[in-house]
Amino acid sequence: EAGVAQSPRYKIIEKRQSVAFWCNPISGHATLYWYQQILGQGPKLLIQFQNNGVVDDSQLPKDRFSAERLKGVDSTLKIQPAKLEDSAVYLCASSLFDRGTDTQYFGPGTRLTVL
Amino acid sequence: DAKTTQPPSMDCAEGRAANLPCNHSTISGNEYVYWYRQIHSQGPQYIIHGLKNNETNEMASLIITEDRKSSTLILPHATLRDTAVYYCIVRISGGGADGLTFGKGTHLIIQP
Repeated sequence: EAGVAQSPRYKIIEKRQSVAFWCNPISGHATLYWYQQILGQGPKLLIQFQNNGVVDDSQLPKDRFSAERLKGVDSTLKIQPAKLEDSAVYLCASSLFDRGTDTQYFGPGTRLTVL
Repeated sequence: DAKTTQPPSMDCAEGRAANLPCNHSTISGNEYVYWYRQIHSQGPQYIIHGLKNNETNEMASLIITEDRKSSTLILPHATLRDTAVYYCIVRISGGGADGLTFGKGTHLIIQP
């Protein structure tokens, strides 16, 4: 089966610009996650969707970050305006959400550099 | 979720068994031990998880102590492709499929 797809793989922008990332989860996976991974650290959860509803966005900086999952499939994560400290890899993951098995499958990530 | 402690880095010779330790002394009775790994420039990859019994799959074995306060991930015959950061995570399985809380993990380097 196809894995989690993300695009673009790399993005370079200047501070105060806006940027958007796209994620297509594994077919049939109801749960979708966005993580931020700063260099040298483990990934940090930003937001979690169950179908097209938000389950947890407690760590999402809502003044500049937004995310949506229309029709419960694809998702986009947007940053507006970007700051230098937003430079990181943004990872998308999905899971089947079936009790007894909630393995998360990760995409390759989008590496964002803010200059 | 309970906190885990892992060594920051480890070396292992190719072809030998790699044993990665993890301490989770505050683990609760309904929390599982999960292991993920992240190869350079890739997203994390699920390896294995367990509650209290030892587990084995095609990738690795997981040994959990009887008191459940620590565990060891074993890669039986390490190859160069096993060089990665390995994360030990404690969480409730199937409990709403919550997001994962990653620490800094152990950077395992397989030496030729």
